[in-house]
Amino acid sequence: DIQMTQTPSSMPASLGERVTISCRASQGISNYLNWYQQKPDGTIKPLIYYTSNLQSGVPSRFSGSGSGTDYSLTISSLEPEDFAMYYCQQYDSSPWTFGGGTKLELK
Amino acid sequence: EVQLVESGGGLVKPGASLKLSCVASGFTFSDYWMSWVRQTPGKTMEWIGDIKYDGSYTNYAPSLKNRFTISRDNAKSTLYLQMSNVRSEDTATYYCTNNNLYVMDAWGQGASVTVSS
Repeated sequence: DIQMTQTPSSMPASLGERVTISCRASQGISNYLNWYQQKPDGTIKPLIYYTSNLQSGVPSRFSGSGSGTDYSLTISSLEPEDFAMYYCQQYDSSPWTFGGGTKLELK
Repeated sequence: EVQLVESGGGLVKPGASLKLSCVASGFTFSDYWMSWVRQTPGKTMEWIGDIKYDGSYTNYAPSLKNRFTISRDNAKSTLYLQMSNVRSEDTATYYCTNNNLYVMDAWGQGASVTVSS
């Protein structure tokens, strides 16, 4: 199985701050990388697919990048609704696997 | 509006069986691959497996393949997860998702399963 290591596991941040979450795969995954957001009420939605493509309706302050084994999610200016859990997920090789999650908290 | 509603969770004893259901609405269920994903109390996400739109093919995480079975009834727009010989480590919230080009697009609200004697 491909292991996905996500850092940091938690991140205190302020409104308006720019933040970056990292995700490293145990082997190259050819950009087959998605990002998901889980709100405090448990609601989960996809944010970014295939490394850098925004899902419909996702604000442009979210962006994704990366290649090979290293990927990142950046939020350019934090809004109140962005404080949530974030997960990366690879779909290069079955079984699809997730990172351990990053909890974005209000500082 | 796309909706996925899981049910069938609860408290079960180790070694027992349990069947979760997921009723879909707001999209053509029979056109989509569907998946089950679980989240442990520690917030770890684990993909369980998926099923082709017509039910003819399933794919599982190897660690769960021998105990979990995914099926669907397209006439009822319902996805199922049959869990057998459950263990304490199966305690989690179970989500169904519809898949759109390898993106787990819509997620349900989850069904909580607790395995304890």
